[in-house]
Amino acid sequence: KNEVEQSPQNLTAQEGEFITINCSYSVGISALHWLQQHPGGGIVSLFMLSSGKKKHGRLIATINIQEKHSSLHITASHPRDSAVYICAGTYNTDKLIFGTGTRLQVFP
Amino acid sequence: DAGITQSPRHKVTETGTPVTLRCHQTENHRYMYWYRQDPGHGLRLIHYSYGVKDTDKGEVSDGYSVSRSKTEDFLLTLESATSSQTSVYFCAISARGGVDGYTFGSGTRLTVV
Repeated sequence: KNEVEQSPQNLTAQEGEFITINCSYSVGISALHWLQQHPGGGIVSLFMLSSGKKKHGRLIATINIQEKHSSLHITASHPRDSAVYICAGTYNTDKLIFGTGTRLQVFP
Repeated sequence: DAGITQSPRHKVTETGTPVTLRCHQTENHRYMYWYRQDPGHGLRLIHYSYGVKDTDKGEVSDGYSVSRSKTEDFLLTLESATSSQTSVYFCAISARGGVDGYTFGSGTRLTVV
């Protein structure tokens, strides 16, 4: 069992739909990261959070420390949101442990 | 990201040859990391550095070595490339490790034939 688990592995949506990607972790982490990777592209950091909720444009990230769970929400999804979304936790103060990613495809 | 560059972007090499990948940063960040990304796996840490000449192994370090002789450069060397090292390699930097965020390079796609 991976220490960081994401669900679903694959997700398809119609443009405009509200999307939720989930991340659960089993290790003690000091921060939770959401990353975005477009096909053939590099990795971009979307959020880093250790409690509560953060919002950037149409993206919202939440974390529940007690339940060891985080969610990434995309409101009013658009085809340009199609990408792999990766959850990662900072442990031992300076290292990341990654989930395997959620592949999102948004169709017009 | 403009603050971190990886070279080369693509490389094909033969089994048994040494290969060096370079990560260069202009952010003066203390921490630098090398990861590999393979289908079905999350990114996995190969080696990392927490300062000039200060490096440590990650979870998949066998067959790899690193060097950091100056703040801006972190080199990853495959001592004798094998087909199992065919992967996409990402470098990442961080100013204060887990306290703040990470910036990733664009990746190097390495194929060992």
